[in-house]
Amino acid sequence: GIQVEQSPPDLILQEGANSTLRCNFSDSVNNLQWFHQNPWGQLINLFYIPSGTKQNGRLSATTVATERYSLLYISSSQTTDSGVYFCAVDSGTYKYIFGTGTRLKVLA
Amino acid sequence: DVKVTQSSRYLVKRTGEKVFLECVQDMDHENMFWYRQDPGLGLRLIYFSYDVKMKEKGDIPEGYSVSREKKERFSLILESASTNQTSMYLCASDDYLGYNEQFFGPGTRLTVL
Repeated sequence: GIQVEQSPPDLILQEGANSTLRCNFSDSVNNLQWFHQNPWGQLINLFYIPSGTKQNGRLSATTVATERYSLLYISSSQTTDSGVYFCAVDSGTYKYIFGTGTRLKVLA
Repeated sequence: DVKVTQSSRYLVKRTGEKVFLECVQDMDHENMFWYRQDPGLGLRLIYFSYDVKMKEKGDIPEGYSVSREKKERFSLILESASTNQTSMYLCASDDYLGYNEQFFGPGTRLTVL
């Protein structure tokens, strides 16, 4: 089955810093999402992005489907950005496969 | 806004008990999913359903069953809870029309003693 790898596994930033999270996948995908899991466990949709680039405030994402990777950019990070970021992909089987996540901690 | 709700945020049960976790979505989505999340293992799919009364096994179905009698409701059943089923359980739904953004409930943290 399709493999999803996220890097880095852990990231510590000072408030105001920028960061890039990466998601590599092993096969072509129909769908790709980025989620943020907050400290209470809720998974919040950030982007639905099977290809192309999207921006939402300080966050943006780019997926290069032909090269099988996606990037999530966080600019001017805030303490509320802390949590775990997941990439999930679907290759057309009804099922999303999740990466193991990037754990981000933003220090004040 | 899509809303997915789960019956409990925290649940404590004893070994051998039968446990029901309920999930309800209000967006008329076709597909519903149950995942469990454990440290270092990410999210793993237990079961999913693409229609009423239909179900498909995910990656780790052993020890679980599901029920979908109505489109909006998907139940996860632990027939005889065991300590290795202590975990965070997450329900999700989506509408598979080629474009299937998946939405999650708040999660149920289950502890089996």
